[in-house]
Amino acid sequence: EAGVTQFPSHSVIEKGQTVTLRCDPISGHDNLYWYRRVMGKEIKFLLHFVKESKQDESGMPNNRFLAERTGGTYSTLKVQPAELEDSGVYFCASSQDGGRGTEAFFGQGTRLTVV
Amino acid sequence: GNSVTQMEGPVTLSEEAFLTINCTYTATGYPSLFWYVQYPGEGLQLLLKATKADDKGSNKGFEATYRKETTSFHLEKGSVQVSDSAVYFCALGVGGGSYIPTFGRGTSLIVHP
Repeated sequence: EAGVTQFPSHSVIEKGQTVTLRCDPISGHDNLYWYRRVMGKEIKFLLHFVKESKQDESGMPNNRFLAERTGGTYSTLKVQPAELEDSGVYFCASSQDGGRGTEAFFGQGTRLTVV
Repeated sequence: GNSVTQMEGPVTLSEEAFLTINCTYTATGYPSLFWYVQYPGEGLQLLLKATKADDKGSNKGFEATYRKETTSFHLEKGSVQVSDSAVYFCALGVGGGSYIPTFGRGTSLIVHP
């Protein structure tokens, strides 16, 4: 069974440019999460999809970030325009349900560097 | 709200030393507790978990006990190996309408031969 896949693995862009990150969750997982980790700090929650609907986007830092999940399958996270402070590792995770002890499965992350 | 506090790293040990990484939490509701590990160049993967008080999660020689009275879930291993060098994240999850795993800041472990 394929795991959570993220593209690209690395991205270096200039301030002001646009970047789109993609996440393919494990097939059949309704829950999809985006997280970000800035160097040395905690993995911070950005948003949560249940199927194609945004369940919680309270962690999105500002309106330069736009997430979508087409048809409840893969998801994209667009940053436009990118700022220096957006640099970090963006993780995607998916899970089957919200039951007790549910494990979230993570992708390898996309390392974004804004210069 | 929910939060996880981990000890600051890096933790540097010699091979075969005893490891403890402290983790405490605050949560609304009754959380499940997890330890995730990130090896160099890889994504996070679940190391172990515990879903109720006094449960002990264990895997690959690591273990952690869910202590509700002290709101803690400390990770321990009796004898670390060089291959255990990684970043370890403590996390909690509260089931319900919006299950959102909450993570600590991670603790880097470096094991020397």
